[in-house]
Amino acid sequence: DQQVKQNSPSLSVQEGRISILNCDYTNSMFDYFLWYKKYPAEGPTFLISISSIKDKNEDGRFTVFLNKSAKHLSLHIVPSQPGDSAVYFCAASERRGGSNYKLTFGKGTLLTVNP
Amino acid sequence: EAQVTQNPRYLITVTGKKLTVTCSQNMNHEYMSWYRQDPGLGLRQIYYSMNVEVTDKGDVPEGYKVSRKEKRNFPLILESPSPNQTSLYFCASSRLQGDYGYTFGSGTRLTVV
Repeated sequence: DQQVKQNSPSLSVQEGRISILNCDYTNSMFDYFLWYKKYPAEGPTFLISISSIKDKNEDGRFTVFLNKSAKHLSLHIVPSQPGDSAVYFCAASERRGGSNYKLTFGKGTLLTVNP
Repeated sequence: EAQVTQNPRYLITVTGKKLTVTCSQNMNHEYMSWYRQDPGLGLRQIYYSMNVEVTDKGDVPEGYKVSRKEKRNFPLILESPSPNQTSLYFCASSRLQGDYGYTFGSGTRLTVV
C-alpha cells in the first residue's frame, strides 16, 4: 500500500514560470513532510520541509503548501530555472515512539525546465 | 565538509559472492539508514539504525545485513547476492530530532549477474 503518492512521473515547464509538484498521502499519523531533489549520479538532497501543524513554509524560490484535510502537499518553485531540472521526491515522516521515526518516500517526479 | 561517503560507487558481481558496501558519515549523526532505488518504485528503506548497536528492519530487509559498531559507520552486507538485488543503493544519516532532513551519500550502483 503506497502511503505517499506522486502521481505525475514527469513535468515540463518553461524557464521563469512556476513549477508545481504535487504529492498525496494516506497516513494521518505523518507529522513532517519533506521534499528532496535528486540529480543524476548524485544522492538526494534535502530541499524543504513542513510540519503537519503548519500550512505553508517558504525558503527563497521554494514554497511548500500543506492541505491536511485533503492529505495533499505541493512544492512551488518560482521562478523556475534550468538548474532546477531534477527528480523531486516527496517524503513523509511518522514518529513511532520515542526517537524512532520512519521516512516514507514517493516514487518521484522528473522536472524539466526548458530554457 | 559534512558528508556521507559510500564505497564503491559502482560494483558488478556474480550471484552468491558476498559483498559489503561501506557507508561513513562525519556529522556525528545518531540515525543512519540504507535505501534502494528502483525504477517505478522510488526509494525503499532496507535497514536503519538509531545508534551504535541498535539496528532494525525497514521495508525490504530480505537478503541484507547491517552492523553499527561505531557511530560513523553503517556497512550494508549482502551475504549471497542475487540478480533481484541489482539496484541503486543510498546510505543516509540524520540527527534524531528536528526536521528529519537526511544527508544522503552519492549512491552505489550494484549489478548482480
